[in-house]
Order: sequence, then C-alpha cells, then structure tokens
Amino acid sequence: DTGVSQDPRHKITKRGQNVTFRCDPISEHNRLYWYRQTLGQGPEFLTYFQNEAQLEKSRLLSDRFSAERPKGSFSTLEIQRTEQGDSAMYLCASSLQRGQGTSGSSYNEQFFGPGTRLTVL
Amino acid sequence: AQSVTQLGSHVSVSEGALVLLRCNYSSSVPPYLFWYVQYPNQGLQLLLKYTTGATLVKGINGFEAEFKKSETSFHLTKPSAHMSDAAEYFCAVSPELSGNTGKLIFGQGTTLQVKP
Repeated sequence: DTGVSQDPRHKITKRGQNVTFRCDPISEHNRLYWYRQTLGQGPEFLTYFQNEAQLEKSRLLSDRFSAERPKGSFSTLEIQRTEQGDSAMYLCASSLQRGQGTSGSSYNEQFFGPGTRLTVL
Repeated sequence: AQSVTQLGSHVSVSEGALVLLRCNYSSSVPPYLFWYVQYPNQGLQLLLKYTTGATLVKGINGFEAEFKKSETSFHLTKPSAHMSDAAEYFCAVSPELSGNTGKLIFGQGTTLQVKP
C-alpha cells in the first residue's frame, strides 16, 4: 500500500497523560502536514514539514504539542499533559513539492491518512 | 485572511436527484480550490480541484464544480445522487502565493444524506 498511514487509529487516554501519534507519508513526498478535526468541524491546520524542517506552526499548536520529522520520512506528533479539549481526530497528509510555477507559486496535492482519533477522559 | 463558508451543514436529497453543495470563499489573492469527501472513520479523499484554466472542473464519482470568481464561489454538483454519495463534504482553499505553504483552509463541512 502506497498511501499515507497513521498509527494508532484510536487512542483513549486519561487527562494529564502524554500521547504520541505516528504518520508515515507516501514515500517520495517531501511535505508532511498535520491537521486537527473536532466533531462537526472541518480540519484545522496545525503544522507542516518540508523534509525534516518544520516550517510553520499554527497558533493552535500550544507548547504542549510537539511534532518532529527527524529523517524527513515519518513524523510524530506528541501531546503532553493531555486535556479533554484535545479530543479530536488528528489527520496527517503528505504531498510532493515540485517547485515554482509560472506565477511564482506552486500547487501540491495533499493525500490524507485515515487519522488518529484521540479521546481524553 | 482566507476563509471558507459552506452554506448548509446538512443537505438531504432523494436518490437520483441533483446534488448541490455550496461553497463561498474569502481570499485576498486567487486561491486554489478543492472539494474533499470524508466517509465515517476515514481520512479525506480529493474529489476535484481548481488551480488554473477551465473554470468548470470534473472530478471523481460524477461530481463537478465551477469556479466563479465574481461570486467567490465554488459550488459542487452531481446530476444524480447515489446512496453511496452519503458522506461529509469539505470545501477548501489554498492561497496561491509565491512560496506558499500549501496548507489547506477548510470549511465546516456539509453532511449529505441520500434518501431511497
């Protein structure tokens, strides 16, 4: 299977515990995104990597959240001291950044994984 | 700042009827536009996209959408609904900027119900 995979698919934890999620992107993709989706809402951007560099973080990403992509392949998202408000679906997506278009911009289609559903009790 | 508004959080149609899901965007620059579908407990699947060129774009499963710059809209349509179309649909934008991040800004979603 060459799609984006995420592990675990479901995680139930108690408030105050730390959790870590993993995302394996499509192998040749150099960009990796994390989104959070709460019930009844669209996904919200959290952060993204180009290769191993984390290039942007949303204000949604508090200091309890940390993401890494150490070798430019898989990524992990850790939440420390979880709170009930962290309960959500965490989605990972990857894309291949091909370079700049004629307007100086570029388009890169994102492919999404199945998500990790986090429930904080 | 860019934003996306999907009119109607729930849409119900009969099988065989026209599907129309509305999306309006706010962007200071011409955006790239997308429609994604999400089935229960699954990730998002791209239905179609508009980047440049023809404003009427065709996607998978018989869906299409038209980019109307004057109306800042990108409504999704399908001539005849199938039961298998029942899902959550998300409109998204990615602003076309030099060196953009490619991050997507999503609407709140529309749940499509298809009645037999």
